[in-house]
Amino acid sequence: KNQVEQSPQSLIILEGKNCTLQCNYTVSPFSNLRWYKQDTGRGPVSLTIMTFSENTKSNGRYTATLDADTKQSSLHITASQLSDSASYICVVSSDSNYQLIWGAGTKLIIKP
Amino acid sequence: DVKVTQSSRYLVKRTGEKVFLECVQDMDHENMFWYRQDPGLGLRLIYFSYDVKMKEKGDIPEGYSVSREKKERFSLILESASTNQTSMYLCASSFPRGWSEQYFGPGTRLTVT
Repeated sequence: KNQVEQSPQSLIILEGKNCTLQCNYTVSPFSNLRWYKQDTGRGPVSLTIMTFSENTKSNGRYTATLDADTKQSSLHITASQLSDSASYICVVSSDSNYQLIWGAGTKLIIKP
Repeated sequence: DVKVTQSSRYLVKRTGEKVFLECVQDMDHENMFWYRQDPGLGLRLIYFSYDVKMKEKGDIPEGYSVSREKKERFSLILESASTNQTSMYLCASSFPRGWSEQYFGPGTRLTVT
């Protein structure tokens, strides 16, 4: 069964610290993987997309990695800011039927 | 900037009422989607549409219907609202090239009492 699991469910860190969010998937065949950021009360916004051949992609202080062999992705946030408080959702796209499989998200809270 | 708007941010309805949720996008996107989002669960696809008057069932279509009479507008209809349809409803749109980035509206938080 195609699944996307994210960990941790929630995370609290101090402003200025780094953190890493994890995404494991069992989707096959694999097309691409996106990370979305969802602020409270808003719809998700895409941060980055990675295809099979990409290992790392950065978007400002956000760096996503992908290991297609182990079917794992991570999102690393550097020098966190209060505005990084949000849910971060991993989404995997399957080639077979263009289905999107959404993770439940990690709720990140940045404390001053 | 892509803009996806939803008709209401918050809605309270009674059990058995017919509910309309409207979504409008201004980017001439072919694809439009309706999701529901519940705590601890990933987004679940209710219906999607690839073109005007075209609709496809998603993972959880039961109790819902949709309408797409114009390219920019996609409506979600709850024929007879039930308490288990209390949820956050998100509309999205995208270009049809592969699975392009989906652009989301702000969501409608629907409470059915």
